[in-house]
Amino acid sequence: DGGITQSPKYLFRKEGQNVTLSCEQNLNHDAMYWYRQDPGQGLRLIYYSQIVNDFQKGDIAEGYSVSREKKESFPLTVTSAQKNPTAFYLCASSAQGQVNTEAFFGQGTRLTVV
Amino acid sequence: EDQVTQSPEALRLQEGESSSLNCSYTVSGLRGLFWYRQDPGKGPEFLFTLYSAGEEKEKERLKATLTKKESFLHITAPKPEDSATYLCAVQARNNNDMRFGAGTRLTVKP
Repeated sequence: DGGITQSPKYLFRKEGQNVTLSCEQNLNHDAMYWYRQDPGQGLRLIYYSQIVNDFQKGDIAEGYSVSREKKESFPLTVTSAQKNPTAFYLCASSAQGQVNTEAFFGQGTRLTVV
Repeated sequence: EDQVTQSPEALRLQEGESSSLNCSYTVSGLRGLFWYRQDPGKGPEFLFTLYSAGEEKEKERLKATLTKKESFLHITAPKPEDSATYLCAVQARNNNDMRFGAGTRLTVKP
């Protein structure tokens, strides 16, 4: 089954800790994205990557870091510098090109600071 | 700056009562406009892509249309299982990032 997998589904972080959220896709997509969603709000872009070993900051990149060492994987690290990390995190991937560029999403990771 | 505004924020319908959701956008050269459905606690599920003004797409009770400034998602004779948040997003020609609106939360009462 082709798809995009996020893990874990729920994650708890203590103050001052870094945590890494996993995102894997087997759709052979070049582009991958990380979004943050807060209650009652739309999706805000954290980082995106169009190709291996390259990524760009989105609107709210401060306090986050990413890597893209493999086409299939785009992990997100929430660092201790992120002041309010409690949120629902969504990873997505899409094909490049002029058509069929819709993004497909994972089922999300809910991060809570305890 | 690319912007997406969805209205209304919330919509309550009776089963069978047709209505429309609006997505207004400004983008420097539209590559595509996307509609998604999101259930609580889940990732968004892709519904439609529209590429040019005048284009329409249909799927069951849903129909999406596009003009140069906005898109509508028409829901005909909705059922309770259509209750969800509907998200609109745009993608510009000059980059690959997708900009989302805040969504419309639809509730269909039996």
